[in-house]
Amino acid sequence: GAVVSQHPSRVICKSGTSVKIECRSLDFQATTMFWYRQFPKQSLMLMATSNEGSKATYEQGVEKDKFLINHASLTLSTLTVTSAHPEDSSFYICSALGLLASSYNEQFFGPGTRLTVL
Amino acid sequence: DAKTTQPNSMESNEEEPVHLPCNHSTISGTDYIHWYRQLPSQGPEYVIHGLTSNVNNRMASLAIAEDRKSSTLILHRATLRDAAVYYCILSNSGYALNFGKGTSLLVTP
Repeated sequence: GAVVSQHPSRVICKSGTSVKIECRSLDFQATTMFWYRQFPKQSLMLMATSNEGSKATYEQGVEKDKFLINHASLTLSTLTVTSAHPEDSSFYICSALGLLASSYNEQFFGPGTRLTVL
Repeated sequence: DAKTTQPNSMESNEEEPVHLPCNHSTISGTDYIHWYRQLPSQGPEYVIHGLTSNVNNRMASLAIAEDRKSSTLILHRATLRDAAVYYCILSNSGYALNFGKGTSLLVTP
């Protein structure tokens, strides 16, 4: 099956610093990737939709200037958390859309990145 | 987004079948029924999806009611590795997934 990787798997940073998370589709091209975050004991919440070569679309309540998304190629999307604060500590998960032979667009999820801001 | 209703938790014995129910009375004609599962500290894993007909794959079976207002995910023989949160999600193909609270499945030896 299609594989999506994320790097790093976990990161600890100081308050006020920026952190970049990479999401790669390893064996397929993805024109669309999604970014979710998950707080402890809660479900995944969609943050933004990332389309290759265009600006990301953010969900209501997600600050686009704080969570910078770049989808520069068909296999890579990056999420940069700028000026991170402790309340940004969360599990960040990306997914990539892969077109199957049946024309159904299946979402393949990455393993997630655990961000802890001290 | 059409909503789904799932039990908060279910319990099963190892090697027994598990039927995970999902109600989706407001489903639209173009909504696919997706099932994903998530183990602790991991990304969601695709389990199965369907539109109108029942579906089988190596992981599970999906039984869809004739009126499409409910569905059941069937794990034929639960193993300890099947303990996870199972999400039933409605979505058109290619759209972001709206995760609800899901069903936490506990499998006991």
